[in-house]
Amino acid sequence: GENVEQHPSTLSVQEGDSAVIKCTYSDSASNYFPWYKQELGKGPQLIIDIRSNVGEKKDQRIAVTLNKTAKHFSLHITETQPEDSAVYFCAAPRSNDYKLSFGAGTTVTVRA
Amino acid sequence: DAGVIQSPRHEVTEMGQEVTLRCKPISGHNSLFWYRQTMMRGLELLIYFNNNVPIDDSGMPEDRFSAKMPNASFSTLKIQPSEPRDSAVYFCASKPRGGKNIQYFGAGTRLSVL
Repeated sequence: GENVEQHPSTLSVQEGDSAVIKCTYSDSASNYFPWYKQELGKGPQLIIDIRSNVGEKKDQRIAVTLNKTAKHFSLHITETQPEDSAVYFCAAPRSNDYKLSFGAGTTVTVRA
Repeated sequence: DAGVIQSPRHEVTEMGQEVTLRCKPISGHNSLFWYRQTMMRGLELLIYFNNNVPIDDSGMPEDRFSAKMPNASFSTLKIQPSEPRDSAVYFCASKPRGGKNIQYFGAGTRLSVL
């Protein structure tokens, strides 16, 4: 099955700086990699995703990069703002695709 | 659309009591997932339904846990009898037919078993 590792577990950045979260996966057949953001008291919400045939995808201040050879993908948040403070999860599908293996999460704190 | 709706938002009960968590998926979605979230174990998939049929319940921890989906717009997760170690946040998520595996999560039910 798929095994997803996520680093770091916590990340504190100054407002306006960038934040980078990295994940590795084990199943080379995985072809879709979503990122979820979970704010306090809420459920995880999809913020961006990438398919395996694309190396990078951007959406305003967030971007995701994928290195299929190395089996790792990263989330980049630029010009961080206080509202970016949350727990972020990476995920990858398991062999049957309907399951998602989630990373352990990264707690991001943006200091004003 | 109101999104995935879970109830109750919070549940406090005593050990040994029966607990029922409820979920209304997004209209038109045909896949439903129940997850449990704890600090120690993160997000764990408990059970997956497709077209109201349980496909994979390998994540259900014990026979004390059961889940049903009587129709496309309602699912329940029941714990009987509940134990303190069941304390966690339980999420329901739904996914539309086909396409990418994008799961939409509800706000969760925070369960405390005393």
